[in-house]
Amino acid sequence: DAGITQSPRHKVTETGTPVTLRCHQTENHRYMYWYRQDPGHGLRLIHYSYGVKDTDKGEVSDGYSVSRSKTEDFLLTLESATSSQTSVYFCAISNGARQGTEAFFGQGTRLTVV
Amino acid sequence: GENVEQHPSTLSVQEGDSAVIKCTYSDSASNYFPWYKQELGKGPQLIIDIRSNVGEKKDQRIAVTLNKTAKHFSLHITETQPEDSAVYFCAASGTYKYIFGTGTRLKVLA
Repeated sequence: DAGITQSPRHKVTETGTPVTLRCHQTENHRYMYWYRQDPGHGLRLIHYSYGVKDTDKGEVSDGYSVSRSKTEDFLLTLESATSSQTSVYFCAISNGARQGTEAFFGQGTRLTVV
Repeated sequence: GENVEQHPSTLSVQEGDSAVIKCTYSDSASNYFPWYKQELGKGPQLIIDIRSNVGEKKDQRIAVTLNKTAKHFSLHITETQPEDSAVYFCAASGTYKYIFGTGTRLKVLA
């Protein structure tokens, strides 16, 4: 398995509180991604990073921010959690070769906002 | 915007039969089409992929076909086994973003 660690694996938080999810990789891959998985919606891209301090929005970025201060770490922050952000969050990494390469996924973080 | 449609959402087959999952993408710049299998409680894992310069690729019981003109690609699983039961995702990538379909839950009935 690719060296990707997500933490925490499970979290329950209250509406309105800030939450940070962490993705750590040991593969030195350039690209990192945060996806959320919801029934009927598949995997939707929240934010991605193409290098240290270089990030961009995905299709469902509202209510989320990210930071990447080191190659190996990509943080996803919910500034003020809402019930609609209850989901399973996956981090993925890739080395981003031009012809397309495999994205490797972490084990996921199950977040419940009550 | 970029979009990938995937059908069917659920698929039940008898063990030993074949299963086919179809996807359509919208971005003409897409040139890489991976398929992922997700088992319960785990992250998706790549099972096969195809690039735009290839029309078909096979790996044992699984195969993928690509029709760039129609922007269609499909996953074929032959001689299905109970361990093939999982959720399958298709994806399309043009640069370094991966846009996923909504997933197909495959059930192989013994």
